[in-house]
Amino acid sequence: EVQLVESGGGLVQSGGSLRLSCAASGFTFSNNWMSWVRQAPGKGLEWVANIKQDGSEKYYVDSVKGRFTASRDNAKNSLYLQMNSLRVEDTAVYYCARVSGAARQDYWGQGTLVTVSS
Amino acid sequence: QSALTQPASVSGSPGQSITISCTGTSSDVGGYNYVSWYQHHPGKAPKLMIYDVSKWPSGVSNRFSGSKSGNTASLTISGLQAEDEADYYCSSYTSSNTYVFGTGTKVTVL
Repeated sequence: EVQLVESGGGLVQSGGSLRLSCAASGFTFSNNWMSWVRQAPGKGLEWVANIKQDGSEKYYVDSVKGRFTASRDNAKNSLYLQMNSLRVEDTAVYYCARVSGAARQDYWGQGTLVTVSS
Repeated sequence: QSALTQPASVSGSPGQSITISCTGTSSDVGGYNYVSWYQHHPGKAPKLMIYDVSKWPSGVSNRFSGSKSGNTASLTISGLQAEDEADYYCSSYTSSNTYVFGTGTKVTVL
């Protein structure tokens, strides 16, 4: 059974940093691109980042470029999101998701809440 | 990277059919057959319902169907059931090797 479990969320002040983790199990982690997606309170889903199987390619939504960095450790079946220079508008539930086929997020975690205070 | 446009809400009675639209541009929806639809119950993980415009993941009811015409994709739910009440989001791959989600549609079963 595919499982994705996020952790690392919490309360941080504006300008601070946080590192999210996503532990994967139930599939060969190194075979899949992975995504980070977020949902701000009362808002819709927003794609944040994608990272290739070997970490050699990464793509980000414009609003986080230069501040967030996705990475992965295939030996540990883990995905990470380093978030720096956090802003109030980064407050959201952050989900990790497995990418399958050409372009679909087919399994998602339950999410971890990041709250950025002013 | 503007969000795809969806109606804020759609409602229907049990047994009826409803359709949710998802409008983008030629750089996303219109340019690729990589539109997905997700069902999201608040507090839970989103669930993939349709991928590659009209394909079903294993275990998803065929009451859900997808289509696309030009820059607009659609999700149809047939035989509406109480458990279909949720938020629905479309998503598309884009020309920038990124993804964009729709604004979301709240489905209410009357």
